[in-house]
Amino acid sequence: NAGVTQTPKFRILKIGQSMTLQCAQDMNHNYMYWYRQDPGMGLKLIYYSVGAGITDKGEVPNGYNVSRSTTEDFPLRLELAAPSQTSVYFCASKLRGQGAAQPQHFGDGTRLSIL
Amino acid sequence: GENVEQHPSTLSVQEGDSAVIKCTYSDSASNYFPWYKQELGKGPQLIIDIRSNVGEKKDQRIAVTLNKTAKHFSLHITETQPEDSAVYFCAAIYNFGNEKLTFGTGTRLTIIP
Repeated sequence: NAGVTQTPKFRILKIGQSMTLQCAQDMNHNYMYWYRQDPGMGLKLIYYSVGAGITDKGEVPNGYNVSRSTTEDFPLRLELAAPSQTSVYFCASKLRGQGAAQPQHFGDGTRLSIL
Repeated sequence: GENVEQHPSTLSVQEGDSAVIKCTYSDSASNYFPWYKQELGKGPQLIIDIRSNVGEKKDQRIAVTLNKTAKHFSLHITETQPEDSAVYFCAAIYNFGNEKLTFGTGTRLTIIP
């Protein structure tokens, strides 16, 4: 298993450009998450999905959109890039807890700079 | 919602000594507490977790303790080695709700050879 795969690893965008961060998992996990990590801070939840066709906002959703058409993929879309979106983005996935919580598994991140 | 505080933000220890990182949480309904290790340029990796029906859990040199009454939990690393140098995050969740983790702000641990 590859686990959680994120592409690209690095990207530089100009203000106002758009892009999609890709996330794929091959563990047949129900839940998927997008986080951003700013320097010296913990991870902030942007959006999450409990299954194909179902998404919901996290703590910091403004400026982002997501979709979940398949169990495996959970892309994150930036429509109008702003300097405040410069960050490291992590995707994670997990099984639905059934009587006991299941851990989240993370990808290695996409480092995004908006100039 | 849940709030998790983590201390210290940085920690340096001599190789072979022990390291302790502490976290407190606010929601008494939280019942699952994972710890993640993040190495430079990598995503967070689960190293140990504890559920609320357990007071302590060990895995070789790593242990986690939980005090539900005081709402705090701690990570203990014994006989530290250079490869333990990383950023460590605690987190808390109420797993029968929306299963959204709340993370602490991280501790940068440096092991001095």
